[in-house]
Parts: sequence; structure tokens; C-alpha cells
Amino acid sequence: QQQVKQSPQSLIVQKGGISIINCAYENTAFDYFPWYQQFPGKGPALLIAIRPDVSEKKEGRFTISFNKSAKQFSLHIMDSQPGDSATYFCAASWGGNQFYFGTGTSLTVIP
Amino acid sequence: EAGVVQSPRYKIIEKKQPVAFWCNPISGHNTLYWYRQNLGQGPELLIRYENEEAVDDSQLPKDRFSAERLKGVDSTLKIQPAELGDSAVYLCASSRGLAGVKDTQYFGPGTRLTVL
Repeated sequence: QQQVKQSPQSLIVQKGGISIINCAYENTAFDYFPWYQQFPGKGPALLIAIRPDVSEKKEGRFTISFNKSAKQFSLHIMDSQPGDSATYFCAASWGGNQFYFGTGTSLTVIP
Repeated sequence: EAGVVQSPRYKIIEKKQPVAFWCNPISGHNTLYWYRQNLGQGPELLIRYENEEAVDDSQLPKDRFSAERLKGVDSTLKIQPAELGDSAVYLCASSRGLAGVKDTQYFGPGTRLTVL
């Protein structure tokens, strides 16, 4: 059973465009929602995270939008750059321990 | 600060052979995780340690997988015997393990296992 559902599976965006990746969850006990970035041959690295008591968090070009009632959250990458080309995973956890990951989105930013 | 170290980076074995992966977490990190990442999928937790105690091993296939974390620092994950379906990237991660804190996990580069 997939605890966190992520879409799309792959995404191609022009340089300077906005990349949007969506995730949905069912378990209302989740209280922490991180996004990870993974480059080929590397482990995932934390990009940005949000808690359900806020609806939006922004760090530089990266923004998480969180809709608690819909049990959905999304990652927006503004002014996408070729260096952003990577695989992005959303995740959810409760208690800060057990993490459930989405299936990943392969982002390609075309120059 | 050195990151999470894993070895080997790549391993190719024939089915039914044993294999072991080693992980050295970030210094001072009490919590250690082993994940398996299948191709095109997100990481799936196999086992989580708090210091030397395995506190969550519900997803570890105990008939062939074993893990240990002696002295609460380095950890070893073993598969014996390996099956074709075990081909995946095995990721180790660590976090400080502070109670009540949304702890950041730091991942190692992983070990890519190919079972022939």
C-alpha cells in the first residue's frame, strides 16, 4: 500500500519555467512533509520541508504548498534551471521517525 | 563534517551468494536507517536503529536479511542468500535522533547491488 502518491512520474520544463510536483496522502497522523532531491549515483538530500500547521513555505526558488483538508502537498520550483534536473521525492512521517516516500518525479529542465 | 559513508558502492553477485553492506553514520547521530530503493521507486525502510537498538524492523525480510549496529555507531546489513529480486540500491541514512524534533535524515550514496 502506497502511503504517499506522487505525480507526475516525469516532467520536462523549459529553463525559466515553473516545475510543479504533486503528492497526496491518506494518513492524517502524518505531521512532517519533506521533499528530497536526488542526483544520479547519490543519495536523496533534504530540499525543503513543511509541517501541517502552515499552508506554504518558501526557500529561495522552492516553495511547498500544503492543503490539509485535501491531504495534498506540492513542490513548486520557480525559474527552473538545468541544474535542477534530478529526481524529486516527497515524503511523509509522524513522530519524525518512520518516513514514507513517494515514487519520485524525474525532472528535466531544458536549456 | 563528513557525510554518511557506505561501502562498497557497487556489488555484483550470483544468486544464493551472501553479501554485506557497511555504513558509517555522521558522527554523533544516534538514529540509523537502512532503506532499499528499487529502480524508479522511492526508498523503503528496512530497519531503523536508535543507538544500538533496532526499534523498527517490521519491513526487514528476516528469513534472509539481518542487520547489526554494534556499539551504536557503524552498521552492517547482510543478505544470505541473495535472490534476483534483491537487486536494488541499499541506502543508509542517519539523523541526530532528538526526541520530539523533526529530525533531518542524511543519506549516504548507497550500494548498488546486482544479483545475477
